[in-house]
Amino acid sequence: GAVVSQHPSWVICKSGTSVKIECRSLDFQATTMFWYRQFPKQSLMLMATSNEGSKATYEQGVEKDKFLINHASLTLSTLTVTSAHPEDSSFYICSARDPGAGGDYEQYFGPGTRLTVT
Amino acid sequence: AQTVTQSQPEMSVQEAETVTLSCTYDTSESNYYLFWYKQPPSRQMILVIRQEAYKQQNATENRFSVNFQKAAKSFSLKISDSQLGDTAMYFCAFIDNAGNMLTFGGGTRLMVKP
Repeated sequence: GAVVSQHPSWVICKSGTSVKIECRSLDFQATTMFWYRQFPKQSLMLMATSNEGSKATYEQGVEKDKFLINHASLTLSTLTVTSAHPEDSSFYICSARDPGAGGDYEQYFGPGTRLTVT
Repeated sequence: AQTVTQSQPEMSVQEAETVTLSCTYDTSESNYYLFWYKQPPSRQMILVIRQEAYKQQNATENRFSVNFQKAAKSFSLKISDSQLGDTAMYFCAFIDNAGNMLTFGGGTRLMVKP
């Protein structure tokens, strides 16, 4: 099956610094990738939809200047949390859709990145 | 906008028994896709089963099956012969035919007891 990786799996950064999270589709080309945020014991909340070669579409309430998304190639999307603060601490998950998988629109999920801001 | 509701925040079942997780959704679309995802303690999202709305036959994957009631907008998951490894969060999810956005329910935490 399709595999999506994320790096790093866990990152600790100091308040005020920026951190970049990478999401890669390993065995397929993903024209669309998605970024989610998940708080403990809660569901996944869609932050933005990332389309290769164009600007990301952010969900209402998500600060686009704080959460920078770049989808420069068909296998890589990055999420940069700028000027991180403790309230940005969370679990971030990416997913990718395989356009070659037919019309079922299944999304393949990365293993997630735990961000802790001190 | 579509909404997905899971009314059971937590459930438990004895090993080898059967458990059913509930999910209802609201949409004005006629064609769409429904999914159940499992999130074990590792937090990796794993697809358990999928259902296309245009198919009347309920999907089955080994010990996992669904009861899809389109008119009632209900999509429950039945786990037979529960195993300890089934302990996880389970999320019901909806995506419309345009495939624009996956909408998740709030999740059900399932504990399988030995």
